[in-house]
Amino acid sequence: EAGVTQFPSHSVIEKGQTVTLRCDPISGHDNLYWYRRVMGKEIKFLLHFVKESKQDESGMPNNRFLAERTGGTYSTLKVQPAELEDSGVYFCASSLVGLASPLHFGNGTRLTVT
Amino acid sequence: ILNVEQSPQSLHVQEGDSTNFTCSFPSSNFYALHWYRWETAKSPEALFVMTLNGDEKKKGRISATLNTKEGYSYLYIKGSQPEDSATYLCAHGLISGGGADGLTFGKGTHLIIQP
Repeated sequence: EAGVTQFPSHSVIEKGQTVTLRCDPISGHDNLYWYRRVMGKEIKFLLHFVKESKQDESGMPNNRFLAERTGGTYSTLKVQPAELEDSGVYFCASSLVGLASPLHFGNGTRLTVT
Repeated sequence: ILNVEQSPQSLHVQEGDSTNFTCSFPSSNFYALHWYRWETAKSPEALFVMTLNGDEKKKGRISATLNTKEGYSYLYIKGSQPEDSATYLCAHGLISGGGADGLTFGKGTHLIIQP
């Protein structure tokens, strides 16, 4: 089976610009998660979709971040406008049965805001 | 304990030796405990998911135990090999309504196996 894919793998943008990250989960996985790792810190939860519905977005840092999962397939995470502190690696993960099953992670998108 | 804590932060082990490390997590509202193996420039790869107190899981030379009442899990590696070098992440999940839906990760134990 194809794994979780993320695009782009790297993105360098200037402060104030907009960036959209994309995640394609494993086919059939209703649960999709976004996480972020800032350099030197632990991986932190951003939000959770079940199919197209946002179940929990308590980890989203602020309203500059917008996640969507139209049709319950792929998901996008938009940062607008980007700030320096948004730099980090953004991981997407999908699972079959929420947290009772393992999360399958994508390779991440490394975002650098200059 | 409010967060997930892993110890030690890093570990150097001779090839062939066995080793273990610890994950501590809040015992209230427990739902699941995950272990992941994370190699540089790759994505975290699931090792184990444990949900019941007393759970023990094994995959080849790697095994894990879970104590939900006292809030800890151990990961054991028997007969370490160079390919075991990686960062091992522990992550804790809460019951629905007990907090955030996602996993709370520790900072990881960075394991280096020396030939």
